[in-house]
Amino acid sequence: DVKVTQSSRYLVKRTGEKVFLECVQDMDHENMFWYRQDPGLGLRLIYFSYDVKMKEKGDIPEGYSVSREKKERFSLILESASTNQTSMYLCASLRQLGGNQPQHFGDGTRLSIL
Amino acid sequence: GQNIDQPTEMTATEGAIVQINCTYQTSGFNGLFWYQQHAGEAPTFLSYNVLDGLEEKGRFSSFLSRSKGYSYLLLKELQMKDSASYLCAVRYNTNAGKSTFGDGTTLTVKP
Repeated sequence: DVKVTQSSRYLVKRTGEKVFLECVQDMDHENMFWYRQDPGLGLRLIYFSYDVKMKEKGDIPEGYSVSREKKERFSLILESASTNQTSMYLCASLRQLGGNQPQHFGDGTRLSIL
Repeated sequence: GQNIDQPTEMTATEGAIVQINCTYQTSGFNGLFWYQQHAGEAPTFLSYNVLDGLEEKGRFSSFLSRSKGYSYLLLKELQMKDSASYLCAVRYNTNAGKSTFGDGTTLTVKP
C-alpha cells in the first residue's frame, strides 16, 4: 500500500513566520501535489512536481513555494505566513499522469496562522 | 474554466440508496475519479470511469456519460459509516494529466 506521510497533523504559527510543511511518499511515485482544502472551495492545487527539482504552479501559488530535492519528499513553504493561509493542507502522490491510477493522499495538516 | 458541479449536501436514511451527481465540461475530458473523505481524514479512492457505462464495486457504483458530461456515484444499503464527503475529480487533456476537483458533496446518513 502506498503511504503518504505529512509531518504534522496540526500546526499553529504566527503571521510573518516562514512555515515548512513536509510530505514523504514511499512508493517511488514521480508526481507529487500540494492542495489546500477550504469549506465551500473544495481542493485547490497549489503546486505540482513531476520529477526531482521540477515544479509547476497550480491554481493558487501566490504566497507559497515548494522544494523537491529528493523523489520521495515534497515540501511546501509559506514564505511569510498570513492569516488567509489558515487552512487544511493535503499532499498527494501519483505514479503516472494520465493513467487510471488515483492520487494517494496524506492525512492532511491543519494549519492555523495567528 | 473547467467547472465541476456537485450538490453541496445530501441526507439519506440507513439502508436506503443515494445517488450523488457530478456534471463537468466535456471538452478535453480524459477520465473521472470519485473519492471518499471522512471528516479530518485523507480522501480515499472509490472509483474511476473513462468509458461510458456503469462500474460496480460492491455497494458502490459509478456511472459515466461522456456526451452529457455527467457522472453519478450510487451508494446502496447505506450504512452510518458512509457519512462522509464525496469528491468528484475530472482529468482533462488540457491540464497535463492532472485532476480538477469538485467542491464535494457532504452526505449524512441518518438512522
